Amino acid sequence: GEDVEQSLFLSVREGDSSVINCTYTDSSSTYLYWYKQEPGAGLQLLTYIFSNMDMKQDQRLTVLLNKKDKHLSLRIADTQTGDSAIYFCAGAGSYQLTFGKGTKLSVIP
Amino acid sequence: GAVVSQHPSWVICKSGTSVKIECRSLDFQATTMFWYRQFPKQSLMLMATSNEGSKATYEQGVEKDKFLINHASLTLSTLTVTSAHPEDSSFYICSARDPRITQAGNTIYFGEGSWLTVV
Repeated sequence: GEDVEQSLFLSVREGDSSVINCTYTDSSSTYLYWYKQEPGAGLQLLTYIFSNMDMKQDQRLTVLLNKKDKHLSLRIADTQTGDSAIYFCAGAGSYQLTFGKGTKLSVIP
Repeated sequence: GAVVSQHPSWVICKSGTSVKIECRSLDFQATTMFWYRQFPKQSLMLMATSNEGSKATYEQGVEKDKFLINHASLTLSTLTVTSAHPEDSSFYICSARDPRITQAGNTIYFGEGSWLTVV
């Protein structure tokens, strides 16, 4: 099945850009997602990218997909303290998602 | 607003008792719902896929008799943790697929999760 790997921690200063990286194994994943989980809350879908796209931008969020290397990244511009959370990437070959372990983003004021 | 609702948000139960968690799709009919469990500091783990009107499909390693899943209607799936033990304490999250939507990014909605503590 799908295996999704992420770095576990990232710490950035407020106002800087954050880049969260993810690698996946299943090349048949049609869609790749980024979710945000704030403490004690459920997952919130942030953005997604279709596998035939290289990049997708949505306000402060930029998703880059390198399908050859099976590498996905999420860039958050002008990171704010409210962005502190755990970010999960997930791959979907069908509608069943496989999640990475999550990257905890800490924003230093 | 929320399109998938989970209830209860948190529950404490005694060891040996059973507890039921509900997952409802609020404004669409969900033919497929998923149940996940999240261990502390770990990712979500898919427990089972629930299809309306049929038996749930459990992932390897998940005890069917312990985690009973019922999807009796198109808007409700329930997860019952039977004879709960402290090691079952976890964060349980459901998700539901909206079959009306073709854009994959908006297809799956997650509930807010249910914290289960077994004492």
